[in-house]
Amino acid sequence: DTGVSQDPRHKITKRGQNVTFRCDPISEHNRLYWYRQTLGQGPEFLTYFQNEAQLEKSRLLSDRFSAERPKGSFSTLEIQRTEQGDSAMYLCASSLGASSYNEQFFGPGTRLTVL
Amino acid sequence: AQSVTQPDIHITVSEGASLELRCNYSYGATPYLFWYVQSPGQGLQLLLKYFSGDTLVQGIKGFEAEFKRSQSSFNLRKPSVHWSDAAEYFCVISGGGADGLTFGKGTHLIIQP
Repeated sequence: DTGVSQDPRHKITKRGQNVTFRCDPISEHNRLYWYRQTLGQGPEFLTYFQNEAQLEKSRLLSDRFSAERPKGSFSTLEIQRTEQGDSAMYLCASSLGASSYNEQFFGPGTRLTVL
Repeated sequence: AQSVTQPDIHITVSEGASLELRCNYSYGATPYLFWYVQSPGQGLQLLLKYFSGDTLVQGIKGFEAEFKRSQSSFNLRKPSVHWSDAAEYFCVISGGGADGLTFGKGTHLIIQP
């Protein structure tokens, strides 16, 4: 399978704990995006990378959230001191090129439940 | 700021009937417009996209969409739906710059046998 992969697929944690998600984009895709999707809503943009550089962060991305893409390949999204409001599906997407018009290929998502 | 409105939360259509899903956008210029589909247990998949040129665009799975600048709309259509089309459909906008995609809230499509 050469699509976007995410790990884990499900994560249950207690409030206050830290969690980290991983995204492996399609090989050679230079752009990588993170989105969050809550029940009954469309995905909301969080941040994106072009190669290893984080170029934009949404105001939704509070100080408890941090994302990295150290070598321009896989990316991690960490949430510190989780809150119940962080419960959502976290989606990763990748694309090739330098325009947001290029197709973004989405992974299956990581579903986070904060108890 | 750019935004997308999908006025229908749920739509029920009989199998074999035609379909139209509505989408209105707000943006200062001509945006990039997309329709994505999300099926249970599957990731989001691009159906079609538009930026310029012919205002009627064809996509995968027999879908098409028409851009109407005067109405700020980008409605999705299919002449005859199949049970496998049951899914969540998102109208999406991008400003064409460095921003990520802005999704509508989605329309849940139910297919009646």
